[in-house]
Amino acid sequence: GDQVEQSPSALSLHEGTGSALRCNFTTTMRAVQWFQQNSRGSLINLFYLASGTKENGRLKSTFNSKESYSTLHIRDAQLEDSGTYFCAANTGANTGKLTFGHGTILRVHP
Amino acid sequence: GPKVLQIPSHQIIDMGQMVTLNCDPVSNHLYFYWYKQILGQQMEFLVNFYNGKVMEKSKLFKDQFSVERPDGSYFTLKIQPTALEDSAVYFCASSFTASSGNTLYFGEGSRLIVV
Repeated sequence: GDQVEQSPSALSLHEGTGSALRCNFTTTMRAVQWFQQNSRGSLINLFYLASGTKENGRLKSTFNSKESYSTLHIRDAQLEDSGTYFCAANTGANTGKLTFGHGTILRVHP
Repeated sequence: GPKVLQIPSHQIIDMGQMVTLNCDPVSNHLYFYWYKQILGQQMEFLVNFYNGKVMEKSKLFKDQFSVERPDGSYFTLKIQPTALEDSAVYFCASSFTASSGNTLYFGEGSRLIVV
């Protein structure tokens, strides 16, 4: 089965509202990265976490390695936040490889 | 932030022909990766590369695929011969380390269409 289970698969938000995306891991992960893939297909680095919580503007992410999950919170959503959000995790096997979730398609509408 | 450049951004190629996708990684990075994404789906790991060698490859990295980085130039993914199912966006990434402290930086992708 998948090592990285991401939910929801799709999310629709009104401008100004917020929500959370979640990734559950079926094996121990050492670190997680979150990306936004925009309409052009570019992957934008949002966060890298080995533990704890990081915040950047309207985004906040938490990684709990003991309980094997990570979350990405979006508040005050804007139209430009629309896109596909991926979490990706590193098993720490010293290959550097990231295993991606299936992504969350976020649509922010007026 | 650090930039990974990919050339070409897109290419259309006849089935059976060879294609080479080029990646210019972040300048001080030592580890290089290729990922494959079919039409907005999941990013699938293909291969990673360090010190002139493949470290790990997935089942998607078929015998027709090869990677190299001759003399510190572009990190390349070559597909020979191409098949219809190779149509996808190929993303290159690089990182400074491979330990759990690494952050991968991705290029903008090379969209390959095999006809």
